[in-house]
Amino acid sequence: AQKVTQAQTEISVVEKEDVTLDCVYETRDTTYYLFWYKQPPSGELVFLIRRNSFDEQNEISGRYSWNFQKSTSSFNFTITASQVVDSAVYFCALSEAASGSRLTFGEGTQLTVNP
Amino acid sequence: DARVTQTPRHKVTEMGQEVTMRCQPILGHNTVFWYRQTMMQGLELLAYFRNRAPLDDSGMPKDRFSAEMPDATLATLKIQPSEPRDSAVYFCASGFRTSGSNEQFFGPGTRLTVL
Repeated sequence: AQKVTQAQTEISVVEKEDVTLDCVYETRDTTYYLFWYKQPPSGELVFLIRRNSFDEQNEISGRYSWNFQKSTSSFNFTITASQVVDSAVYFCALSEAASGSRLTFGEGTQLTVNP
Repeated sequence: DARVTQTPRHKVTEMGQEVTMRCQPILGHNTVFWYRQTMMQGLELLAYFRNRAPLDDSGMPKDRFSAEMPDATLATLKIQPSEPRDSAVYFCASGFRTSGSNEQFFGPGTRLTVL
C-alpha cells in the first residue's frame, strides 16, 4: 500500500528565510512518481513538480528546489528566500505505476510566511 | 489557457437532496479523477476514468455516490441522497496518460455544504 507522510503540520517563517517541507513516502512498487502541489488560500491545487523513481537528480526552479533521496524515501521541498505569496498548504503526493495514476496525498503542510 | 472547469463552485443543500457536480476536463486529456477534501480525511480519491471507462471507484460510497462520463468533455459526480457528512470540497482533475504517471491538473473545486 502506498502512503505519504508530511510530519510538519504547520510552519511559520519570516519573509526571506529559507524553509524546507518534508515528505516521506512508502511504496512497494519499484516504479512510482512523486509530486508536489500548492494550495493557496483561494483553494485551487497548483501542480509544482513531478519526479519518477528512476530520476534522483535534484531539481531547482527559481526559488524552489527538490531533494529526492530513495535511500530515505524522502522527497523534500525547499523554498529559498520565502515570500508572503508562498503562504499556502503544500501537498506531497505519490502515484505507483501499478495504480494507474491515482494520487495518494500527504496530510499537507500549512506554510505561513510573515512580512 | 486550458483549464479544468467545475460547476457549481458552491452548493448548499439540505440533507436528502440530490447533488450533481460537473467537470469539464482539459481537451485531449484521457484520464479524469474525482477527489474529496475534508479537514478530517484530507485529500482522497473517489473515482477515476480513462478514456471514459471507470477504472476505480473503490473510494466512493456506492450506495449514494455515482460517477459517470457521458462524453469526453463531461464528467459528473452525483450524490443521492446527500448527508451532512458529505460536506467537503470536491475536486476534479484531468491528465493524459500514455505511460507512467503524468501530472494531474485540478479544477477549482465544488464546495458542498449539506445541512
